[in-house]
Amino acid sequence: DAGVTQSPTHLIKTRGQQVTLRCSPKSGHDTVSWYQQALGQGPQFIFQYYEEEERQRGNFPDRFSGHQFPNYSSELNVNALLLGDSALYLCASSRTGTVRGTEAFFGQGTRLTVV
Amino acid sequence: AQSVTQLDSQVPVFEEAPVELRCNYSSSVSVYLFWYVQYPNQGLQLLLKYLSGSTLVESINGFEAEFNKSQTSFHLRKPSVHISDTAEYFCAVGRTSYDKVIFGPGTSLSVIP
Repeated sequence: DAGVTQSPTHLIKTRGQQVTLRCSPKSGHDTVSWYQQALGQGPQFIFQYYEEEERQRGNFPDRFSGHQFPNYSSELNVNALLLGDSALYLCASSRTGTVRGTEAFFGQGTRLTVV
Repeated sequence: AQSVTQLDSQVPVFEEAPVELRCNYSSSVSVYLFWYVQYPNQGLQLLLKYLSGSTLVESINGFEAEFNKSQTSFHLRKPSVHISDTAEYFCAVGRTSYDKVIFGPGTSLSVIP
């Protein structure tokens, strides 16, 4: 089991550009959540996708958007990048349901630097 | 809404000494509780979780945490730490096991040889 995989691992973008980050969930998981972790802080919830739709959203502007594909993989898109968007972006996958084994597992993250 | 407080931002401790990392949460509904660990330049790893049942939960590497509903706490303990335990530790809550997770600000554990 490869677990949660994210790509790329590192990325440098210029202010005003757009970026797409990718995530493949752990085998058997159908739910993908994205988090932003600024340096020295705890992760902040961006949004969650389930059945190819955004199910929950945190307090992030519309510049942050996402997508989930039929194979449960997901993309995070950020438009009009700001210097403050520099952070570690974490993807977590989980399985919606009531039985054990549904909790979230995290990928290694994508380090985004905006210059 | 839920929130998490981790009272200590940094905890230095000597090798083989005991350690406690404190976590308090606030929620108007029942929650699930988690501790995640983050090693330098890595993602988050689930250390242990409380979903239901026994209030004392243990991890495979010697950590344990006790859910105290009356004090809304979920403190993490280890009786004897190792150098390899040096990492950032995050306490977190969620409404369900698969729901969004609300994280605390983290506690940096530094184990001194």
